[in-house]
Amino acid sequence: NAGVTQTPKFQVLKTGQSMTLQCAQDMNHNSMYWYRQDPGMGLRLIYYSASEGTTDKGEVPNGYNVSRLNKREFSLRLESAAPSQTSVYFCASSEEGGSSQPQHFGDGTRLSIL
Amino acid sequence: AQKITQTQPGMFVQEKEAVTLDCTYDTSDQSYGLFWYKQPSSGEMIFLIYQGSYDEQNATEGRYSLNFQKARKSANLVISASQLGDSAMYFCAMREPRVGNNRKLIWGLGTSLAVNP
Repeated sequence: NAGVTQTPKFQVLKTGQSMTLQCAQDMNHNSMYWYRQDPGMGLRLIYYSASEGTTDKGEVPNGYNVSRLNKREFSLRLESAAPSQTSVYFCASSEEGGSSQPQHFGDGTRLSIL
Repeated sequence: AQKITQTQPGMFVQEKEAVTLDCTYDTSDQSYGLFWYKQPSSGEMIFLIYQGSYDEQNATEGRYSLNFQKARKSANLVISASQLGDSAMYFCAMREPRVGNNRKLIWGLGTSLAVNP
């Protein structure tokens, strides 16, 4: 029962490098989300995708791009990493159609940018 | 604007005692949902309990219950018989009204709970 799988779990980058965080869910959920979590700031939404083929900006989208490759996969790309993007990144998914459906989270990616 | 406030940055409780974690919310919508998540030191986010704005009964899930006071706009999490494994960060979140096909979550900043043996 995999749920939401994120890769990699840890990554260290140098300023200016690019990378893609991968996320896949096996629960047939329509909606997927990318968050970042920083100390004292809770969870902040970067981008979300309500369904395959659609993406929308969240609270802190600058410096990021996303791709909803298919219903299962939602990737987050840092084109030119900056130290301010050092954070823990979470992918989540949820079923829609009612307000009671929780978001299910991956285990997170710890990203450090030097 | 919708907002979630968790006023207790840190809480301590003795093992086997009950503890209440506070959550207040601000919304002008009649239909909304409230969620609690647990984040242990290992980092994963674990869904605990849900309360809908139209639910007449307070939600319960095992040792977790939600003290929902709609008029006061509070949705406090009660953990009964605390265990050492309950030591974690706890987040309250509210489901936004539907925007297109999506309902995003609004998150509080969390409460750190430490259970003492």
